[in-house]
Amino acid sequence: DVKVTQSSRYLVKRTGEKVFLECVQDMDHENMFWYRQDPGLGLRLIYFSYDVKMKEKGDIPEGYSVSREKKERFSLILESASTNQTSMYLCASSFPTRTSGSAYEQYFGPGTRLTVT
Amino acid sequence: AQSVTQPDIHITVSEGASLELRCNYSYGATPYLFWYVQSPGQGLQLLLKYFSGDTLVQGIKGFEAEFKRSQSSFNLRKPSVHWSDAAEYFCAVALGSSASKIIFGSGTRLSIRP
Repeated sequence: DVKVTQSSRYLVKRTGEKVFLECVQDMDHENMFWYRQDPGLGLRLIYFSYDVKMKEKGDIPEGYSVSREKKERFSLILESASTNQTSMYLCASSFPTRTSGSAYEQYFGPGTRLTVT
Repeated sequence: AQSVTQPDIHITVSEGASLELRCNYSYGATPYLFWYVQSPGQGLQLLLKYFSGDTLVQGIKGFEAEFKRSQSSFNLRKPSVHWSDAAEYFCAVALGSSASKIIFGSGTRLSIRP
């Protein structure tokens, strides 16, 4: 089974702190994603990466950056946390075989609930 | 622009009753479609997916969904719900780009009445 793990389930940080959220997958997937989930808004894509050291902005990248130094690990960084970044953060990965729709099938971690006070 | 609409924010059904969760998409080409479930405090788990072929797809936990191109819909159904089905359900559509991105609906929260 694919396993996607996230470093923390719950995190409380203060405004202005630098925050690192870590995600690790064990299935050699090329693609990795960071979403934030807010009530009534569903999942919104922050950043994704399709290879080591490669990244692309998603729909809401402002205030975030990412790092992918190794294939299995994708980090989300909040350079200076703000209260409006209080949210549930979900990491996902997928295996991009171009020949079928399974390329889009994403596997999710359990999520990190971040509270910024 | 591509979009996914789940018109029902919250649905309550009695245990043992049938369920249908609605999903409509806006996408020019033949879509890849998914339903995910999120139990409280958990990540998302794939229930089922449609890529091509038979428009009625079977998933895990007794769920099924039917793709109707004419209605741009992909509704999720279950003939008899169990209390453990209480969760949030997300419909999603793949964008068909090389980035393997998918977009999600806003979700439908399902409550089960004992």
